[in-house]
Amino acid sequence: SQTIHQWPATLVQPVGSPLSLECTVEGTSNPNLYWYRQAAGRGLQLLFYSVGIGQISSEVPQNLSASRPQDRQFILSSKKLLLSDSGFYLCAWSRLAGTAQTGNTIYFGEGSWLTVV
Amino acid sequence: KNQVEQSPQSLIILEGKNCTLQCNYTVSPFSNLRWYKQDTGRGPVSLTIMTFSENTKSNGRYTATLDADTKQSSLHITASQLSDSASYICVVSGAGNNRKLIWGLGTSLAVNP
Repeated sequence: SQTIHQWPATLVQPVGSPLSLECTVEGTSNPNLYWYRQAAGRGLQLLFYSVGIGQISSEVPQNLSASRPQDRQFILSSKKLLLSDSGFYLCAWSRLAGTAQTGNTIYFGEGSWLTVV
Repeated sequence: KNQVEQSPQSLIILEGKNCTLQCNYTVSPFSNLRWYKQDTGRGPVSLTIMTFSENTKSNGRYTATLDADTKQSSLHITASQLSDSASYICVVSGAGNNRKLIWGLGTSLAVNP
C-alpha cells in the first residue's frame, strides 16, 4: 500500500529564518506531488506541483520554493520566512497526470503546522 | 470566476441523526466534484469523486449527489457517529483550459453524544 510521510509535524520559526519541510511517498512510483497551504478560515491553496524529478510548477508567487531531488521526495523551502508564511502545510500525491481526471484521488500527508514568530 | 461555496458554515447534530451538507459551484467547464473529510489538524481524506454523468455516489454512510445542471452537490451523512465530527470540504475540478481544483472552505460538523 502507498503511504505518505511529512515532517516535521510542527515547528516554530523566527521571521527571517530558513524553512525546510520534507515529504516522501512510499509504495508507488512516478507520483504527482503537491504542496498545499491551508490558512485559518481559508480553503486549501495549491503552492507547487511536480510531475517528475526536477519538474516544479509554481501556482502562486511567494518567497517559498520547492524541489524534487528524487522520484518520491518533495521538499518545500524558504530562505527567509515571513509572518504571513504561518499556516498548515500539506504534502500530497496522486497517480495520474493533471488534477482534473476521473479517479485521480489526491492523497494527503498529515500536515505540518508552521508558526512564524 | 471559479467559486465553490458551501453551506452551512458549521453544524451541530446529535449522534445518530442524519444531516446534509450543501455545495454550490460556478466552475466551468466542469470535470468532477469531490468531497473530502478533514479531521482537525490532519490532512483531508477523499470520500467521493463524481463526474458530470454521475448523480449519486456512496461511501458507507456518506452519500454524495450531483446536479451538474444546477451546479449543486450535497453530502448526506446517515446515522451520524462521534467520529464524523470534522470539516467536510467540497472540491470542484475544472476541465480544458480551466484544469485546476477549486477548494471550498468546508462545513465544520460537530456530532454530540
